[in-house]
Amino acid sequence: KAGVTQTPRYLIKTRGQQVTLSCSPISGHRSVSWYQQTPGQGLQFLFEYFSETQRNKGNFPGRFSGRQFSNSRSEMNVSTLELGDSALYLCASSLGTWEEGYEQYFGPGTRLTVT
Amino acid sequence: GQQVMQIPQYQHVQEGEDFTTYCNSSTTLSNIQWYKQRPGGHPVFLIQLVKSGEVKKQKRLTFQFGEAKKNSSLHITATQTTDVGTYFCAAPAGNNRKLIWGLGTSLAVNP
Repeated sequence: KAGVTQTPRYLIKTRGQQVTLSCSPISGHRSVSWYQQTPGQGLQFLFEYFSETQRNKGNFPGRFSGRQFSNSRSEMNVSTLELGDSALYLCASSLGTWEEGYEQYFGPGTRLTVT
Repeated sequence: GQQVMQIPQYQHVQEGEDFTTYCNSSTTLSNIQWYKQRPGGHPVFLIQLVKSGEVKKQKRLTFQFGEAKKNSSLHITATQTTDVGTYFCAAPAGNNRKLIWGLGTSLAVNP
Protein backbone atom coordinates (compact mmCIF):
# COMPACT_ATOMS: atom_id res chain seq x y z
CA LYS A 1 0.00 0.00 0.00
CA ALA A 2 1.40 3.38 -0.97
CA GLY A 3 2.24 5.75 1.85
CA VAL A 4 1.24 9.36 2.32
CA THR A 5 2.50 11.55 -0.48
CA GLN A 6 3.03 15.27 -0.39
CA THR A 7 3.75 17.65 -3.23
CA PRO A 8 5.81 19.58 -3.81
CA ARG A 9 8.68 18.41 -1.63
CA TYR A 10 10.49 21.74 -1.72
CA LEU A 11 9.24 25.22 -2.40
CA ILE A 12 10.76 28.67 -2.36
CA LYS A 13 8.45 31.66 -2.27
CA THR A 14 8.81 35.35 -1.57
CA ARG A 15 7.01 37.35 1.07
CA GLY A 16 3.47 38.29 0.14
CA GLN A 17 2.94 35.37 -2.21
CA GLN A 18 0.58 32.52 -1.56
CA VAL A 19 1.23 28.79 -1.70
CA THR A 20 -0.82 25.62 -1.98
CA LEU A 21 0.46 22.31 -0.66
CA SER A 22 -1.06 18.97 -1.51
CA CYS A 23 -1.39 15.74 0.43
CA SER A 24 -2.62 12.34 -0.74
CA PRO A 25 -3.42 10.06 2.21
CA ILE A 26 -3.08 6.32 2.35
CA SER A 27 -5.91 4.66 0.48
CA GLY A 28 -8.88 4.16 2.76
CA HIS A 29 -7.78 6.77 5.30
CA ARG A 30 -10.40 9.43 5.90
CA SER A 31 -8.60 11.66 8.38
CA VAL A 32 -5.93 14.09 7.26
CA SER A 33 -4.06 16.40 9.61
CA TRP A 34 -1.58 19.13 8.83
CA TYR A 35 1.35 20.23 10.99
CA GLN A 36 3.99 22.91 10.86
CA GLN A 37 7.40 21.86 12.13
CA THR A 38 10.13 24.34 12.95
CA PRO A 39 13.31 23.87 14.99
CA GLY A 40 12.63 24.54 18.63
CA GLN A 41 8.85 24.67 18.19
CA GLY A 42 8.23 21.02 17.52
CA LEU A 43 5.08 19.99 15.74
CA GLN A 44 2.38 22.62 15.67
CA PHE A 45 -1.09 21.40 14.75
CA LEU A 46 -2.70 23.33 11.91
CA PHE A 47 -5.97 21.52 11.19
CA GLU A 48 -7.62 18.16 10.75
CA TYR A 49 -10.12 17.07 8.15
CA PHE A 50 -12.34 14.04 8.34
CA SER A 51 -14.68 13.10 5.51
CA GLU A 52 -14.30 16.55 3.93
CA THR A 53 -15.15 18.39 7.16
CA GLN A 54 -12.72 20.39 9.22
CA ARG A 55 -12.89 18.91 12.72
CA ASN A 56 -10.23 20.96 14.36
CA LYS A 57 -8.11 24.00 13.85
CA GLY A 58 -4.93 24.99 15.64
CA ASN A 59 -3.92 28.46 16.73
CA PHE A 60 -2.80 29.80 13.40
CA PRO A 61 -3.93 32.99 11.67
CA GLY A 62 -6.61 32.96 9.01
CA ARG A 63 -3.92 33.09 6.33
CA PHE A 64 -3.67 29.34 6.82
CA SER A 65 -6.56 27.41 5.33
CA GLY A 66 -7.23 23.96 4.05
CA ARG A 67 -9.74 21.66 2.51
CA GLN A 68 -10.35 18.00 1.84
CA PHE A 69 -11.82 16.50 -1.28
CA SER A 70 -14.20 13.58 -1.63
CA ASN A 71 -11.28 11.25 -2.41
CA SER A 72 -9.70 12.32 0.93
CA ARG A 73 -6.90 14.23 -0.74
CA SER A 74 -6.21 17.45 1.07
CA GLU A 75 -4.71 20.81 0.30
CA MET A 76 -3.53 23.58 2.54
CA ASN A 77 -3.09 27.16 1.45
CA VAL A 78 -1.07 29.93 3.00
CA SER A 79 -1.74 33.43 1.75
CA THR A 80 0.38 36.55 2.16
CA LEU A 81 3.46 34.57 3.11
CA GLU A 82 5.71 35.84 5.88
CA LEU A 83 9.32 34.96 6.63
CA GLY A 84 8.17 33.14 9.74
CA ASP A 85 6.14 30.72 7.63
CA SER A 86 9.36 29.01 6.55
CA ALA A 87 9.02 25.50 7.90
CA LEU A 88 8.47 21.85 7.15
CA TYR A 89 4.77 21.22 6.56
CA LEU A 90 3.77 17.68 7.38
CA CYS A 91 0.60 15.90 6.44
CA ALA A 92 -0.59 12.85 8.36
CA SER A 93 -3.40 10.46 7.56
CA SER A 94 -5.20 7.90 9.65
CA LEU A 95 -8.08 5.48 9.33
CA GLY A 96 -10.02 7.33 11.99
CA THR A 97 -9.53 9.89 14.65
CA TRP A 98 -6.96 9.85 17.41
CA GLU A 99 -9.70 9.67 20.02
CA GLU A 100 -10.49 6.31 18.52
CA GLY A 101 -6.88 5.29 18.92
CA TYR A 102 -5.77 5.37 15.32
CA GLU A 103 -2.16 6.20 14.73
CA GLN A 104 -1.10 8.79 12.22
CA TYR A 105 1.00 8.06 9.18
CA PHE A 106 3.11 11.00 8.11
CA GLY A 107 4.17 12.03 4.66
CA PRO A 108 7.71 13.22 3.85
CA GLY A 109 6.68 16.85 4.20
CA THR A 110 6.99 19.97 2.08
CA ARG A 111 9.94 22.20 2.94
CA LEU A 112 8.76 25.79 2.42
CA THR A 113 11.29 28.60 2.38
CA VAL A 114 10.04 32.18 2.31
CA THR A 115 12.55 34.83 1.26
CA GLY B 1 -3.86 25.83 27.04
CA GLN B 2 -3.04 22.25 27.78
CA GLN B 3 0.60 21.36 27.31
CA VAL B 4 2.69 18.24 27.33
CA MET B 5 6.16 18.87 28.70
CA GLN B 6 8.86 16.60 27.40
CA ILE B 7 12.30 16.25 28.97
CA PRO B 8 15.15 16.26 28.35
CA GLN B 9 15.34 18.30 25.18
CA TYR B 10 18.61 16.67 24.15
CA GLN B 11 20.46 13.55 25.23
CA HIS B 12 23.88 12.42 24.13
CA VAL B 13 24.86 8.85 25.06
CA GLN B 14 27.55 6.32 24.30
CA GLU B 15 26.40 3.31 22.36
CA GLY B 16 25.30 0.68 24.82
CA GLU B 17 24.08 3.14 27.45
CA ASP B 18 20.42 3.43 28.37
CA PHE B 19 18.19 6.38 27.49
CA THR B 20 14.93 7.68 28.91
CA THR B 21 12.63 10.48 27.85
CA TYR B 22 9.67 11.70 29.86
CA CYS B 23 6.39 13.40 29.06
CA ASN B 24 4.42 15.19 31.74
CA SER B 25 1.00 16.76 31.71
CA SER B 26 -0.81 18.82 34.33
CA THR B 27 -4.08 17.18 33.36
CA THR B 28 -5.16 13.58 33.00
CA LEU B 29 -4.61 12.18 29.54
CA SER B 30 -6.99 9.78 27.84
CA ASN B 31 -4.12 8.21 25.94
CA ILE B 32 -0.63 9.00 24.77
CA GLN B 33 1.20 8.17 21.58
CA TRP B 34 4.93 8.02 20.92
CA TYR B 35 6.61 8.78 17.61
CA LYS B 36 10.18 8.70 16.34
CA GLN B 37 11.58 11.05 13.74
CA ARG B 38 14.93 10.22 12.20
CA PRO B 39 17.10 13.13 11.04
CA GLY B 40 15.70 14.41 7.76
CA GLY B 41 12.71 12.12 8.05
CA HIS B 42 9.14 12.31 9.22
CA PRO B 43 7.55 11.12 12.46
CA VAL B 44 6.79 7.42 12.60
CA PHE B 45 4.29 5.98 15.04
CA LEU B 46 5.79 3.75 17.73
CA ILE B 47 3.03 2.95 20.18
CA GLN B 48 -0.10 4.10 21.98
CA LEU B 49 -0.76 3.73 25.71
CA VAL B 50 -4.29 3.91 27.05
CA LYS B 51 -4.58 2.23 30.44
CA SER B 52 -3.40 3.56 33.78
CA GLY B 53 -0.03 2.02 34.70
CA GLU B 54 0.28 0.38 31.29
CA VAL B 55 3.70 -0.93 30.27
CA LYS B 56 4.48 -2.04 26.73
CA LYS B 57 7.71 -3.33 25.27
CA GLN B 58 9.08 -3.34 21.77
CA LYS B 59 12.42 -5.14 21.77
CA ARG B 60 14.77 -2.71 23.60
CA LEU B 61 12.08 -0.02 24.00
CA THR B 62 9.87 0.11 27.10
CA PHE B 63 6.92 2.48 27.27
CA GLN B 64 5.09 3.34 30.48
CA PHE B 65 1.93 5.26 31.26
CA GLY B 66 1.69 6.61 34.78
CA GLU B 67 -0.89 5.48 37.28
CA ALA B 68 -2.51 8.91 37.25
CA LYS B 69 -2.29 9.05 33.44
CA LYS B 70 -0.46 12.35 33.67
CA ASN B 71 2.96 11.17 32.64
CA SER B 72 4.64 8.70 30.37
CA SER B 73 8.15 7.53 29.64
CA LEU B 74 10.09 5.83 26.89
CA HIS B 75 13.17 3.87 27.94
CA ILE B 76 15.69 2.43 25.53
CA THR B 77 18.03 -0.24 26.83
CA ALA B 78 21.55 -0.50 25.39
CA THR B 79 21.19 2.19 22.75
CA GLN B 80 22.39 1.61 19.22
CA THR B 81 23.26 4.09 16.49
CA THR B 82 19.98 3.17 14.80
CA ASP B 83 18.16 4.74 17.77
CA VAL B 84 19.33 8.22 16.75
CA GLY B 85 16.47 10.63 16.18
CA THR B 86 13.90 12.74 17.95
CA TYR B 87 11.28 11.05 20.08
CA PHE B 88 7.93 12.79 20.46
CA CYS B 89 4.99 12.13 22.69
CA ALA B 90 1.52 13.28 21.65
CA ALA B 91 -1.76 13.30 23.52
CA PRO B 92 -5.31 14.51 22.93
CA ALA B 93 -6.06 17.93 24.34
CA GLY B 94 -8.69 18.41 27.00
CA ASN B 95 -11.58 18.33 24.58
CA ASN B 96 -10.00 15.37 22.77
CA ARG B 97 -10.39 17.12 19.48
CA LYS B 98 -6.75 18.15 19.10
CA LEU B 99 -3.53 16.24 19.42
CA ILE B 100 -0.87 18.18 21.30
CA TRP B 101 2.78 17.31 20.97
CA GLY B 102 5.75 17.48 23.25
CA LEU B 103 8.74 19.37 21.85
CA GLY B 104 10.63 16.12 21.50
CA THR B 105 13.84 14.66 22.87
CA SER B 106 16.71 14.50 20.41
CA LEU B 107 18.90 11.47 20.99
CA ALA B 108 22.48 11.30 19.73
CA VAL B 109 24.45 8.07 20.08
CA ASN B 110 28.23 7.93 19.93
CA PRO B 111 29.46 4.67 18.37
